[in-house]
Amino acid sequence: GDSVTQMEGPVTLSEEAFLTINCTYTATGYPSLFWYVQYPGEGLQLLLKATKADDKGSNKGFEATYRKETTSFHLEKGSVQVSDSAVYFCALNTGASGTYKYIFGTGTRLKVLA
Amino acid sequence: KAGVTQTPRYLIKTRGQQVTLSCSPISGHRSVSWYQQTPGQGLQFLFEYFSETQRNKGNFPGRFSGRQFSNSRSEMNVSTLELGDSALYLCASSFPTRTSGSGPVEQYFGPGTRLTVT
Repeated sequence: GDSVTQMEGPVTLSEEAFLTINCTYTATGYPSLFWYVQYPGEGLQLLLKATKADDKGSNKGFEATYRKETTSFHLEKGSVQVSDSAVYFCALNTGASGTYKYIFGTGTRLKVLA
Repeated sequence: KAGVTQTPRYLIKTRGQQVTLSCSPISGHRSVSWYQQTPGQGLQFLFEYFSETQRNKGNFPGRFSGRQFSNSRSEMNVSTLELGDSALYLCASSFPTRTSGSGPVEQYFGPGTRLTVT
C-alpha cells in the first residue's frame, strides 16, 4: 500500500544552519506531496505542496522538489531560525476515485538552538 | 474566517467508558477528516465525511465511529475505551470536492482534542 518514510528525529541545529529533512514515498498512480508543520500545542499547518513531478513547492524559505525518479520530496531550508522549531510531517494524497485520504510520515522533530 | 474548532480540547476518561469529540469545520467546507496522533504510530487516518456520508475509512476497529451533520459539523465516538486510545485526535476540513485531475485539496487542521484514558 501507499506509504511515506521520513528521517528519524530529533534534528538539532544551530541558528542559521542548513536544514534537510528526507522524505521518500511509495504510491500507486501519481500522488500529490505535502509538507505540514506542527508547532507545540497546535494542529498541523500546510507548509508547501507539489502536485506533479519536478514541481517545486516553497514557502517561508522552505523548499521541496517532487522527484519521481527517486520517489522523494526532501524538505530544505538554507538558514533555520529558532522559530522553525516544530515537528515536520511529509504526506501524500492519492485522491483515487474522487475521494482522498492523506498518508502521513511519522514526523521529524526539529530543534533550533540560538 | 474562523478556523477549524474542536471541543473539548482536553479530556480524561476511564477504561470502558465512551467518548464523543466534536469538530466544527471552516465555514463552507463540506469535507471533514479525522486522524489519531500518537508518539508511536504518528498520524493515522480514521475516516472522512462529506455531505453527511462516510467516504473513506482507515484501519480502525468498529469502536471508532463518526458522523456528520447537515451543517458539516462532525462528531467522532469511541466506545469501550482502552488505554491505547490515549492520543491527540485531529480534525481537518477542506473544500471543495476533489475531482480527478483537479489537483490536491488542502486540509485545514484544528488544534486537536487530547484524550487520556486511565
